[in-house]
Amino acid sequence: AQSVTQLDSQVPVFEEAPVELRCNYSSSVSVYLFWYVQYPNQGLQLLLKYLSGSTLVESINGFEAEFNKSQTSFHLRKPSVHISDTAEYFCAVKRAGSARQLTFGSGTQLTVLP
Amino acid sequence: EAGVAQSPRYKIIEKRQSVAFWCNPISGHATLYWYQQILGQGPKLLIQFQNNGVVDDSQLPKDRFSAERLKGVDSTLKIQPAKLEDSAVYLCASSRGVEGTGELFFGEGSRLTVL
Repeated sequence: AQSVTQLDSQVPVFEEAPVELRCNYSSSVSVYLFWYVQYPNQGLQLLLKYLSGSTLVESINGFEAEFNKSQTSFHLRKPSVHISDTAEYFCAVKRAGSARQLTFGSGTQLTVLP
Repeated sequence: EAGVAQSPRYKIIEKRQSVAFWCNPISGHATLYWYQQILGQGPKLLIQFQNNGVVDDSQLPKDRFSAERLKGVDSTLKIQPAKLEDSAVYLCASSRGVEGTGELFFGEGSRLTVL
């Protein structure tokens, strides 16, 4: 079975500062990796995903994540955050080619301070 | 394109009472999921449907939880009788199929408080 660990439950950061949200996974088989974001009072939505190919993946709003197989990590980064990035971020894993769906981490609350 | 619809948004009941949540997925999405999100935790899959068949219900507490998707479109999740530990947000999600990309589209959730 797959599992996901998000090491930080809360990350406060000042506006325009860089941020890294950490995610480590455990799996004995090939996996797909995802970051979902949940803005206040909204449903979860996909931010970015790694399926195969380039290990660096990017979102349309400036986030990026790098798949590191040797360290079993998929950390999320942004070089300069905005107030509007305040949300809860969930890392998730799915066994490649499996019909069974995502296993989520416990989430990281990112709070961007003015 | 309309998103995943869920109702009710909020429900407060006493323990041992019953409750039902409804979900209507995005049109054309064959796969529907119910997740339970307890405060401070990530979403946990309760049940996954492909059309009106069950793909995975290994984490569904079947002594009190039940779910159905009779016509392969909308779905109902029922809890009877409710326990205090069932207090959570119940998330419905849908996707076009079970394979590949893993992009799920979520509703806003139904928040249950059991007193």
